[in-house]
This record gives sequence, C-alpha cells and structure tokens, in this order.
Amino acid sequence: DAGITQSPRYKITETGRQVTLMCHQTWSHSYMFWYRQDLGHGLRLIYYSAAADITDKGEVPDGYVVSRSKTENFPLTLESATRSQTSVYFCASSKQNTGELFFGEGSRLTVL
Amino acid sequence: GENVEQHPSTLSVQEGDSAVIKCTYSDSASNYFPWYKQELGKRPQLIIDIRSNVGEKKDQRIAVTLNKTAKHFSLHITETQPEDSAVYFCAASDTGRRALTFGSGTRLQVQP
Repeated sequence: DAGITQSPRYKITETGRQVTLMCHQTWSHSYMFWYRQDLGHGLRLIYYSAAADITDKGEVPDGYVVSRSKTENFPLTLESATRSQTSVYFCASSKQNTGELFFGEGSRLTVL
Repeated sequence: GENVEQHPSTLSVQEGDSAVIKCTYSDSASNYFPWYKQELGKRPQLIIDIRSNVGEKKDQRIAVTLNKTAKHFSLHITETQPEDSAVYFCAASDTGRRALTFGSGTRLQVQP
C-alpha cells in the first residue's frame, strides 16, 4: 500500500520557470490538500479539493494552480516560479475535512 | 477566515518534566482541534484531536484541553522523553468544507 506519494522530492529551478509538483494517493480519500511549510509560518494552506473537479483556495493561493481530474491525483503547478516560492510543499489527504490528515513526505523546492 | 496562534515557539524541558503548548483560535464556528507532531525531516503526523463536544481528551502521556468560551486549547505532555523532541502544530477547522488552519508550530526540545 503506497499511501500518499509526492514527486519530485527535491527540485531546483529558476525564476520564471513552470514547475509541477505531483501528488498521488491510493486510499480513494475525498479530500486532498496542498500546504507549504516555511520557518516561522507553520503549515499554510495553498489549495484544497473536496472531490474530483472541486477545488478551493486556501490562505496563500497566489501564483499556484491546481487541478483534480481524478480522485487520486492532485498536482500543484507554479506557473512562473518566484524566489518567495522556495519552500517545502506537503500534500495531504483525508476521508473528510475534519478527519486525520495523511501527509506525503514533502517536496523541497528551491527557486534560484 | 480562521486564525490560529500558537505559543511558545520554542520550549525546552528536562526529561521527565511536563510540557504545555497553547493555541488560540478566532472563529467560534471551529469545532475540530487536532495536534500534529513533526520529527526532524519527517512528515507531520496526527497525535491527538478533540472535538467541541468534549473538554478534555487523554491518550497515555498526552492530553488536550479545550475551552470554547475562551477559544483556546492546549496540549499537555507528561513525563517527557527525548523522543518527544519535535515540532508540534495545533490546528482548527469547522465541519463545513473549509480545511484545517494550522498554528505556526512549537519546537519542543527534551533534554536528557
């Protein structure tokens, strides 16, 4: 049982480039989330999805795009990366929005 | 939206002592309050949660208390051990479609 996986785990890119972080879960959880983790800010919600084809903005959505065409996948795209988007990105899934979140291992993104 | 404040940002205790981490939230509609532990370089994992219909919940050395009137909740760890050293995050949400809002985290260091 793979659970929830993220790829790539590490990525270095340049300002202005497009980057996509992938997230895949095998539990058929309805909810999926993208958080970014920065020192002093904890975990901040970027986008979340309650089901396929339903997405909602979180606290810090600017500069990011998501899609959810299939229940098991929730990719996060940075259309034009900026240095301020250097962060660790965590994908998570849950059966419901007030249930346990299961996090992926994280994707460390560096924008030069 | 919801705002969760967490204190202290760092906490150092001697092995065997108790540790208390406090959080306040802003939205009176919030009714689900989980706590996550993140060890160095790992993903966050749920350690305990409480819903608004109870005031306290215990699980071995860990307990969480909730004061809905004052809009604050706390994590209590007794008989701390070196393996309790980690970053702890509180969070809050309601049972609608809105996702969890996390606090900024507390780095707990248990000195042997």
